[in-house]
Amino acid sequence: AQTVTQSQPEMSVQEAETVTLSCTYDTSESDYYLFWYKQPPSRQMILVIRQEAYKQQNATENRFSVNFQKAAKSFSLKISDSQLGDAAMYFCASPWDYGGSQGNLIFGKGTKLSVKP
Amino acid sequence: NAGVTQTPKFRILKIGQSMTLQCTQDMNHNYMYWYRQDPGMGLKLIYYSVGAGITDKGEVPNGYNVSRSTTEDFPLRLELAAPSQTSVYFCASSRDQGYEQYFGPGTRLTVT
Repeated sequence: AQTVTQSQPEMSVQEAETVTLSCTYDTSESDYYLFWYKQPPSRQMILVIRQEAYKQQNATENRFSVNFQKAAKSFSLKISDSQLGDAAMYFCASPWDYGGSQGNLIFGKGTKLSVKP
Repeated sequence: NAGVTQTPKFRILKIGQSMTLQCTQDMNHNYMYWYRQDPGMGLKLIYYSVGAGITDKGEVPNGYNVSRSTTEDFPLRLELAAPSQTSVYFCASSRDQGYEQYFGPGTRLTVT
């Protein structure tokens, strides 16, 4: 079965420090999109960052950036200058290969990030 | 803008009962999705739609049905509820494949 693997169930970071969350995936698509979503205790799913696989350049959004290694099928998320509001579950998502649309996603089990003041 | 709205927010069902989870989006998105999230897990795709009148199965469709008669609405029907359907259900929409999916606030469903 197709999987997205987030190998760190829980991570902790000191406020203002940097943390990296890992993700590997196994799509057979050649052109696709990858996503990191954040889920705070409110349960709302919020997009953090999106990467287009055909682009060599790693995506960045303010304090959030990715390290995208297409050949290794690796897609890690780096959070710089961590803030208390970054505390949440983080989910990595890649294309689901078995649907009729490239828009369908498969999600990892998530990494719970705690931020210490 | 309301974005994606879901009703109800919470529901308790008895085994064997049926119900419909409502989902509406006001962004004129063609693509809509239903996911379930079990405790400690990521989201799993139940059904999706690429436009009005077109629906298809996701990873975990058994026990559910959907319809898409308008661009805005994408209800999810549970027939003969079972304890295994206890979960949080999210509806989402996107402008096109590969674009950000906007999520509703979720419905927490308990089947006892």
